Amino acid sequence: DVKVTQSSRYLVKRTGEKVFLECVQDMDHENMFWYRQDPGLGLRLIYFSYDVKMKEKGDIPEGYSVSREKKERFSLILESASTNQTSMYLCASSLPRSGSFYEQFFGPGTRLTVL
Amino acid sequence: DQQVKQNSPSLSVQEGRISILNCDYTNSMFDYFLWYKKYPAEGPTFLISISSIKDKNEDGRFTVFLNKSAKHLSLHIVPSQPGDSAVYFCAASALWSGGGADGLTFGKGTHLIIQP
Repeated sequence: DVKVTQSSRYLVKRTGEKVFLECVQDMDHENMFWYRQDPGLGLRLIYFSYDVKMKEKGDIPEGYSVSREKKERFSLILESASTNQTSMYLCASSLPRSGSFYEQFFGPGTRLTVL
Repeated sequence: DQQVKQNSPSLSVQEGRISILNCDYTNSMFDYFLWYKKYPAEGPTFLISISSIKDKNEDGRFTVFLNKSAKHLSLHIVPSQPGDSAVYFCAASALWSGGGADGLTFGKGTHLIIQP
């Protein structure tokens, strides 16, 4: 069964802290993604990776960085957390897009609160 | 600049009736469209998708229609059931020439409420 797991469901951090959000997938997918979801704004892409050690900026990369040292793991890093980074963070993975079908599989999300 | 628009933040439908959720897009490079369903405190789950070479795709109670000339798609749920109450996101994909990975562009979502 397809599975994307995220290290924490809920996280509370203080302004200025360095925050690591971890995501692991067991489907041997090449692609991994980080989104954030905010009320009234939908899901917005922060970063994605299509291979180990490869990363690409999404629509809102400012204030974030990522790391992909192993195929199954994709980490999102907040170098210095700020209150406007309080959000639901969603990790996803997929095979490369080809043919007539494409799907991204999502993890359960991490609700991050920055005080 | 919103490339995928869901103009109805919420929709209330009676149980047993048809639910129609709408989505418009502006980027003509989008060639694949997906609908996701999301419950509170859970990740989105894939519902149904459609390629731009088709105008309709059906899966059980769910049908997605695509009108390319109008850049419009809709999700029909019939009959609507209480468990369908959730937020529905429309998402679009443009095949990325750089290696295969492409993030999805999501709409803001429509909260569907099924009333008994």
